[in-house]
Amino acid sequence: AQSVTQLDSQVPVFEEAPVELRCNYSSSVSVYLFWYVQYPNQGLQLLLKYLSGSTLVKGINGFEAEFNKSQTSFHLRKPSVHISDTAEYFCAVSLTGGFKTIFGAGTRLFVKA
Amino acid sequence: GAGVSQSPRYKVAKRGQDVALRCDPISGHVSLFWYQQALGQGPEFLTYFQNEAQLDKSGLPSDRFFAERPEGSVSTLKIQRTQQEDSAVYLCASSPPGADRNTEAFFGQGTRLTVV
Repeated sequence: AQSVTQLDSQVPVFEEAPVELRCNYSSSVSVYLFWYVQYPNQGLQLLLKYLSGSTLVKGINGFEAEFNKSQTSFHLRKPSVHISDTAEYFCAVSLTGGFKTIFGAGTRLFVKA
Repeated sequence: GAGVSQSPRYKVAKRGQDVALRCDPISGHVSLFWYQQALGQGPEFLTYFQNEAQLDKSGLPSDRFFAERPEGSVSTLKIQRTQQEDSAVYLCASSPPGADRNTEAFFGQGTRLTVV
């Protein structure tokens, strides 16, 4: 079975500072990897996804993530955050060709002025 | 509309009451998913439809939960005899034909169910 661990429940950071949100997954078969963002009282919005190919994936709003198969990680990074990036971020995994997506518990990013 | 629409946005139910939550997927989307998101947690898979066929309902937590999509478009998640542990946000997502089903999912804003 697949599982996702988000290593930090909350990450406070000052505006314009870099940030990394950590995600590790476990799976014995090949998977797709995702990062979603959820603003208060909103649904999930896809930030980026890794399906195959280049291990560095660029997404919306200046975010990027790197797939590391040997470390089973998919950490999310942004070189300079804005106040508007304050939200909950979810890492997720699903089997290739499957339909069930497994989500982590989320990381609350709080950007301070 | 342009996105996945869920109604109602908020629902307060007394314990033991039946509720029905509606999802209008993006027009033409074949795949439809329901997720349950408890407070402070990530979404958890409930069930999956391809058109009108419910291909997986392994995530439904009990036989009080029932989902349908009779004409392959709008879906309803029904919860009978609600319990306090059913309090959560229920998210619906859909994906277009031709997409690897779980790689192009678009989520609605969810229905927040509170059972009192």
